[in-house]
Amino acid sequence: GESVGLHLPTLSVQEGDNSIINCAYSNSASDYFIWYKQESGKGPQFIIDIRSNMDKRQGQRVTVLLNKTVKHLSLQIAATQPGDSAVYFCAENRETDKLIFGTGTRLQVFP
Amino acid sequence: DAGVTQSPTHLIKTRGQQVTLRCSPKSGHDTVSWYQQALGQGPQFIFQYYEEEERQRGNFPDRFSGHQFPNYSSELNVNALLLGDSALYLCASSPTGGYSPLHFGNGTRLTVT
Repeated sequence: GESVGLHLPTLSVQEGDNSIINCAYSNSASDYFIWYKQESGKGPQFIIDIRSNMDKRQGQRVTVLLNKTVKHLSLQIAATQPGDSAVYFCAENRETDKLIFGTGTRLQVFP
Repeated sequence: DAGVTQSPTHLIKTRGQQVTLRCSPKSGHDTVSWYQQALGQGPQFIFQYYEEEERQRGNFPDRFSGHQFPNYSSELNVNALLLGDSALYLCASSPTGGYSPLHFGNGTRLTVT
C-alpha cells in the first residue's frame, strides 16, 4: 500500500555533528512534503517543507533534500544540539492538507 | 499570537463512554484537521473540517464524529469508547488553499480503561 516510512528508527549523534534523517515515500503523485519535530508531551512542530518542483530547501541549520526519481526525502541538521533531541516525522501531503505520516525517527544527541 | 489550543490536556474514560475534545485553531486559519497518534506511531488522519463541513475523512469508524463552529473552532466526539481508542488526539489547523504546513496543538491524551 501507499506509505511514508523511515529507514532508521533511532539515530544517535554527538553534539556538534551533522545529522541526516531519511524518509521514503511511495506515492509519486504527492507534491508537498513536510518535516516535523515532536518532543515528549508535545504536538508535532513544523521544521521545514518542500514542494515537488524543488529538490533542495534550506532553513536555519536544516536542509531538506527531495529525490523524486527514487522517492526519497532527507532532513539534514547541521551542528546538532541537545535541544534537537526528539522524534522526527516526514509527512506527505495528499488531497488538500491530508498528511500521511511515517512512524518517526528518534534522534538522540549525546555530549 | 496564540497557536492551536486543545482541551483538555488529559482525560480518563471508561469503555462504552463518550468523549468530546475541543480545539481552537491558530489565528487566521479556517481549516481544522484531527489526527490520532498511538504510542510510538505517527499521527493518523481522522477527518478535516472546512466551512463547518467535513471535507475529508480517514479510515475511522462512524463512532468518530466532529463539528466545526462559525468561529472555526472544532470538536471531536468519540462514542462507545474502546480500549484501543487510547491515544494522543491532535488538532491541526491551516489556511485554505496553497501549500501551507499544518500547525498542531499539543494534543489531548485520552486513556480508556
